Amino acid sequence: NAGVTQTPKFQVLKTGQSMTLQCAQDMNHEYMSWYRQDPGMGLRLIHYSVGAGITDQGEVPNGYNVSRSTTEDFPLRLLSAAPSQTSVYFCASSSSPANTEAFFGQGTRLTVV
Amino acid sequence: QQQVKQSPQSLIVQKGGISIINCAYENTAFDYFPWYQQFPGKGPALLIAIRPDVSEKKEGRFTISFNKSAKQFSLHIMDSQPGDSATYFCAASFSGTYKYIFGTGTRLKVLA
Repeated sequence: NAGVTQTPKFQVLKTGQSMTLQCAQDMNHEYMSWYRQDPGMGLRLIHYSVGAGITDQGEVPNGYNVSRSTTEDFPLRLLSAAPSQTSVYFCASSSSPANTEAFFGQGTRLTVV
Repeated sequence: QQQVKQSPQSLIVQKGGISIINCAYENTAFDYFPWYQQFPGKGPALLIAIRPDVSEKKEGRFTISFNKSAKQFSLHIMDSQPGDSATYFCAASFSGTYKYIFGTGTRLKVLA
């Protein structure tokens, strides 16, 4: 049972480059989200989706785009990477709105130089 | 009002001791309070959760204590073991939404 799968695990980008962080879940969960984890700041919500074709902004959406064309996939795009986007990124999914367990992927460690 | 304040930032406990991590919130509309455990290089995983209609929930060595009037909740790890060494996050959410507000995390180290 794969759960939530994120790729890549590690990535180094140069300032201004673009890239897509992949997230896929095999649990048929409607709800998916992206968080970034920075030292001393916990997990902060970037974007989330309540189903295919529906996305919304979280706490720190600037510099990131998302789309949700299928239930399984929820990619996160960095259009023009900046050093401030150096972080560990986690994708999560759950089966219903809040009040239930969120399943996290293993994370993508991104460094922007 | 959206913040969840977590303390301490780090904690060192002897094997067999009790680890206590505290969280406080402001927004009384929060109605679900989970704790997540994260090991190095891994994603967070749900450890235990509580709703505000109960004051305590226990699962094995892990207990959540909830004080609604003080708007505080805490995680107690009894008989702490080296395998409990991890980062712990408290969180809060609103019924009917998908937004978790996470605390800043507590790095626990249990000495053998």
